Amino acid sequence: QKEVEQDPGPLSVPEGAIVSLNCTYSNSAFQYFMWYRQYSRKGPELLMYTYSSGNKEDGRFTAQVDKSSKYISLFIRDSQPSDSATYLCAMRRSAGNKLTFGGGTRVLVKP
Amino acid sequence: DTAVSQTPKYLVTQMGNDKSIKCEQNLGHDTMYWYKQDSKKFLKIMFSYNNKELIINETVPNRFSPKSPDKAHLNLHINSLELGDSAVYFCASSQAYRGDPNVLTFGAGSRLTVL
Repeated sequence: QKEVEQDPGPLSVPEGAIVSLNCTYSNSAFQYFMWYRQYSRKGPELLMYTYSSGNKEDGRFTAQVDKSSKYISLFIRDSQPSDSATYLCAMRRSAGNKLTFGGGTRVLVKP
Repeated sequence: DTAVSQTPKYLVTQMGNDKSIKCEQNLGHDTMYWYKQDSKKFLKIMFSYNNKELIINETVPNRFSPKSPDKAHLNLHINSLELGDSAVYFCASSQAYRGDPNVLTFGAGSRLTVL
């Protein structure tokens, strides 16, 4: 079993819908939680990060962390076709540089 | 443009050959990484250098040898290429500040195909 699990999708939604993505993890030592977006044939780019539990909002994006359930979520409101990409969750302990990634969820937003 | 740039973007080669991928960052970061992304999109760390010093060395065959001539450059040399080495290799960099989780900036990737 992998340390970080993520449904590969694809997740297909109509334009304007809310996209809901999540990851589960097994290592309780993870303290930093990140979401990266990866367009086809490009490198991942950071969307958001949160430290420990709680919510964080940035424009149309909301990240939630529930450490008690070892579960993190990303919500995209008012989704646009340009949001079509693979979304990767990533996690890290409080010290050190090693990020552990989920396998990514492919999202398709249809106009 | 400030970025992480890696070359070549595409590499097609025969089994048994030796090849190199180069990476450069002009972001002023002090840490650089090599990640491997397989066909199922899993990104797995291979190596990390901080100011030219190797700090992360995951379980990677010793056919893979990274080299960091300075903190802005990190190269990856692969000997005796095997079919299973086919993947996209991403270079990344980061700079640690107090309270910052070492956010990574990735290059566009080098797609290696071994025939």
